[in-house]
Amino acid sequence: DQQVKQNSPSLSVQEGRISILNCDYTNSMFDYFLWYKKYPAEGPTFLISISSIKDKNEDGRFTVFLNKSAKHLSLHIVPSQPGDSAVYFCAAVNDYKLSFGAGTTVTVRA
Amino acid sequence: NAGVTQTPKFQVLKTGQSMTLQCAQDMNHEYMSWYRQDPGMGLRLIHYSVGAGITDQGEVPNGYNVSRSTTEDFPLRLLSAAPSQTSVYFCASSFTSSDTQYFGPGTRLTVL
Repeated sequence: DQQVKQNSPSLSVQEGRISILNCDYTNSMFDYFLWYKKYPAEGPTFLISISSIKDKNEDGRFTVFLNKSAKHLSLHIVPSQPGDSAVYFCAAVNDYKLSFGAGTTVTVRA
Repeated sequence: NAGVTQTPKFQVLKTGQSMTLQCAQDMNHEYMSWYRQDPGMGLRLIHYSVGAGITDQGEVPNGYNVSRSTTEDFPLRLLSAAPSQTSVYFCASSFTSSDTQYFGPGTRLTVL
């Protein structure tokens, strides 16, 4: 029973446009949320995070939004670049444990 | 710094064999964890450790053992390999569970 869900397995976006990745969770005890990026044959790398006491965190082209009442978070990438083509995982932390979503594969078209 | 290293990169086992996946980090991180990645499932936590001598179960611990005798090393043991354990295994470390986790490059395991 997955507590973190990424319902869109893939996303295709044109270079320069905005990519919006969505994530829903069911456990209200999650207190920290992270996004990871993964290229083939490599381990995931950290992208951006947000504490449950905030609703927005921005880092360069990446912004994460958290809506606690809806148990929903999203990652915005603006502008999208070819190097952003990867799998993106949403993750949530509770009681020393991380729960990951299934991932969204982003393809940035030239 | 080498970061998080994992060995081997690839492994093929027969059903019933045992083996140990090695994981080491040189960042003095207290928190270490093991995940498996399967298609459509994301990464699932197998076991984790909040410090030397302390380990606990994650979401999918059955069939796996861990120990943490030093801060640097966190090996994962498969006691009797089964085809259902065919997967890509990632080790990760961080200062705490809420900090950025640094992942190793992964071990691709096939059990025949």
